[in-house]
Amino acid sequence: DAMVIQNPRYQVTQFGKPVTLSCSQTLNHNVMYWYQQKSSQAPKLLFHYYDKDFNNEADTPDNFQSRRPNTSFCFLDIRSPGLGDAAMYLCATSRAVGTTGPYEQYFGPGTRLTVT
Amino acid sequence: AQSVTQLDSQVPVFEEAPVELRCNYSSSVSVYLFWYVQYPNQGLQLLLKYLSGSTLVKGINGFEAEFNKSQTSFHLRKPSVHISDTAEYFCAVSPLSGGYNKLIFGAGTRLAVHP
Repeated sequence: DAMVIQNPRYQVTQFGKPVTLSCSQTLNHNVMYWYQQKSSQAPKLLFHYYDKDFNNEADTPDNFQSRRPNTSFCFLDIRSPGLGDAAMYLCATSRAVGTTGPYEQYFGPGTRLTVT
Repeated sequence: AQSVTQLDSQVPVFEEAPVELRCNYSSSVSVYLFWYVQYPNQGLQLLLKYLSGSTLVKGINGFEAEFNKSQTSFHLRKPSVHISDTAEYFCAVSPLSGGYNKLIFGAGTRLAVHP
């Protein structure tokens, strides 16, 4: 089945130690998104890629970076994780907005990041 | 700017009872509306969406929602819930602009179905 895959499902990192989260998709969608979801809160969009074009949300900290080497893969890099960065990180994909409106976003299962 | 308010953080209900999860939104532009469900330790799954046309939208798993423009609401309903409906439900809006689908989520409502 076509899907969105996130690895690892659980990640533990130390305070200040860089960490990379991975997302891959078999849907061939040209838009990929990264969301941060803290405990009992709504998902919050960090940034998205429209093909190779990177779009950062205005309030996303500089500590968060992303790479998209090809259509299928997208990475979230946290350069110096703080305790406040502990959260579930969700990757999603969609086709671009069409003439009939937005297409559905397909979410991966998420990576739960713990910072010690 | 857009915002979404989900009026109930938790809704307990007995199995086979009806349920309504409330959602109100605020926006200076027209928006599309969505409901997503999140089961424990999983990603979000689309339940239903309103883009245009009929204000009553039917989704998966027996859920439906009604768009009310004058009240800026998009409440989610199910006539008879099952234990398996226990999950977190998120209402979201997407403004009608831009080449991508930006979702602004509400804080979520935790539905707990009891036997």
